[in-house]
Amino acid sequence: DSGVTQTPKHLITATGQRVTLRCSPRSGDLSVYWYQQSLDQGLQFLIQYYNGEERAKGNILERFSAQQFPDLHSELNLSSLELGDSALYFCASSHTGRKEETQYFGPGTRLLVL
Amino acid sequence: AQTVTQSQPEMSVQEAETVTLSCTYDTSENNYYLFWYKQPPSRQMILVIRQEAYKQQNATENRFSVNFQKAAKSFSLKISDSQLGDTAMYFCAFIAGGGGADGLTFGKGTHLIIQP
Repeated sequence: DSGVTQTPKHLITATGQRVTLRCSPRSGDLSVYWYQQSLDQGLQFLIQYYNGEERAKGNILERFSAQQFPDLHSELNLSSLELGDSALYFCASSHTGRKEETQYFGPGTRLLVL
Repeated sequence: AQTVTQSQPEMSVQEAETVTLSCTYDTSENNYYLFWYKQPPSRQMILVIRQEAYKQQNATENRFSVNFQKAAKSFSLKISDSQLGDTAMYFCAFIAGGGGADGLTFGKGTHLIIQP
């Protein structure tokens, strides 16, 4: 158990809908990362937050957005969902978000878009 | 942009054997960090081992060790005395150091099967 929690574990929804994935970092960690794992694209970095502020953007679609709240939990919002958005979405956390720090991954949220 | 290549989609060895998973990367950076993550059937991503590019000594964690060849941009993972519980997908990952912000860049993964 990495100490990173993600909810829900599974999510099934329809095309065009909007969903919110939630992540709580390890105790004491200030930085949160979101990754997408799909069959087509593999594991891709989406976005990073540090202490409530966006720090880095990766291959995140405009239909996707995220935020980190004062209690440091983070939410990833996916809207206008398409079949291709079906994937495993991971949240990871590290203490200060510096590159040399190990990122600890949560168990993931499996999203299925029908 | 950095790229990470894992050329072995799948490998299978007998229990107790030693196996080496290969990983190469492409970068113009001199300061960076390399990781091996394990993803068992549960899908959890678990850190196996990490290496700082500025360190010449290869990292070791119990049965897991790396062969880091900076000039060749190679970062292979050796698993000694393999166990059934080592069956998993293994991902090599890279992140550049220095300024700027970024996330991990992953390879496509190697599916390792340990046969009893």
